[in-house]
Amino acid sequence: EDKVVQSPLSLVVHEGDTVTLNCSYEVTNFRSLLWYKQEKKAPTFLFMLTSSGIEKKSGRLSSILDKKELFSILNITATQTGDSAIYLCAVEANSNYQLIWGAGTKLIIKP
Amino acid sequence: EAGVTQFPSHSVIEKGQTVTLRCDPISGHDNLYWYRRVMGKEIKFLLHFVKESKQDESGMPNNRFLAERTGGTYSTLKVQPAELEDSGVYFCASSEGLGNTIYFGEGSWLTVV
Repeated sequence: EDKVVQSPLSLVVHEGDTVTLNCSYEVTNFRSLLWYKQEKKAPTFLFMLTSSGIEKKSGRLSSILDKKELFSILNITATQTGDSAIYLCAVEANSNYQLIWGAGTKLIIKP
Repeated sequence: EAGVTQFPSHSVIEKGQTVTLRCDPISGHDNLYWYRRVMGKEIKFLLHFVKESKQDESGMPNNRFLAERTGGTYSTLKVQPAELEDSGVYFCASSEGLGNTIYFGEGSWLTVV
């Protein structure tokens, strides 16, 4: 059965800290891995990763994929209270690119 | 540019009643997906449309759920009759093509009492 596992489930850190969120997967017909940030409502797109070893960056956020070991990490440096959210990892799989979701990591940044 | 919009944002209905959720994808997006998250569980795939055709409805939980996308524009997801375990948030998402970025709506929160 296809599955995506995220860790930790929740994390509380102070502003300015650096955090690393993990996502491992076991799926057939892997297409890509995506990271989303969910604050109050809609998950908003962060990154799409398809190739191993190529880091994607957006400001203080970065992510990388390891297709051999079947995992990805999402790094956030110099965290701010606005980074508090649930971070969701999803893998696109199968012929219709449906998303298989992890349970999410709830990140709380304390001032 | 308008994003994916969903209606209603919240609904509370009694067990046995019918609810219809609507999703308007981003204009020009052929691919439309429905997902749902029930309390305490992961977001799960329900079904996938390409234009008006159902490509994959393997995630639909049972025959109380009916999705349509007449004309290949907006989609509706009807739950009839609703059961308590149907409570959760129903997300709609769209993409221009397979492998393109998938954009999500804000979700329709359904509570069945």
